[in-house]
Amino acid sequence: ETGVTQTPRHLVMGMTNKKSLKCEQHLGHNAMYWYKQSAKKPLELMFVYNFKEQTENNSVPSRFSPECPNSSHLFLHLHTLQPEDSALYLCASSQGTGAGNTIYFGEGSWLTVV
Amino acid sequence: QKEVEQNSGPLSVPEGAIASLNCTYSDRGSQSFFWYRQYSGKSPELIMSIYSNGDKEDGRFTAQLNKASQYVSLLIRDSQPSDSATYLCAVNMFNGDYKLSFGAGTTVTVRA
Repeated sequence: ETGVTQTPRHLVMGMTNKKSLKCEQHLGHNAMYWYKQSAKKPLELMFVYNFKEQTENNSVPSRFSPECPNSSHLFLHLHTLQPEDSALYLCASSQGTGAGNTIYFGEGSWLTVV
Repeated sequence: QKEVEQNSGPLSVPEGAIASLNCTYSDRGSQSFFWYRQYSGKSPELIMSIYSNGDKEDGRFTAQLNKASQYVSLLIRDSQPSDSATYLCAVNMFNGDYKLSFGAGTTVTVRA
């Protein structure tokens, strides 16, 4: 139990579907992140929110739409995805976004686009 | 140039041996460094953080940092089969804001 909970853990969706990934952190942190992990590639930072304000969008295609209603919850809305978007999507949180902050990951959501 | 580079694996070590993992980074101004362990099918979990030059020990794990050489390493002493995993090096880099950059990981297999 990392204190960061992601649902669903596994998701299979068609290219025309709309789905959402949900993340909740119970650590009292102020920053939340979405990362993408594809096979044989380093973790890719997608979005950063600090005090529910987006501070980073790492050139992510608009078919991925994040939402952060408060510092404890983060969503990733998915629509018209491509098969190459199939990956492990990791939510993470940290106390802040400064130099010494440690990031803690959730268990991840395995996404398969068919 | 990759921001964070790790020695390519996989690394196979016998049980009880020392596993040595290396990582270099491109941003000379980086201040904080982390090692995560990721078991197959699981998410990364933090095992070590280091901020100052020198060694930091935690149980069987020792992290070593040399900022002048832009190098950070992880030693696993008395390796156990349960240490078999992919180890990710992460470096907090500043580019307008701090961002954690990850290496591709080194997969370690401990042979019983």
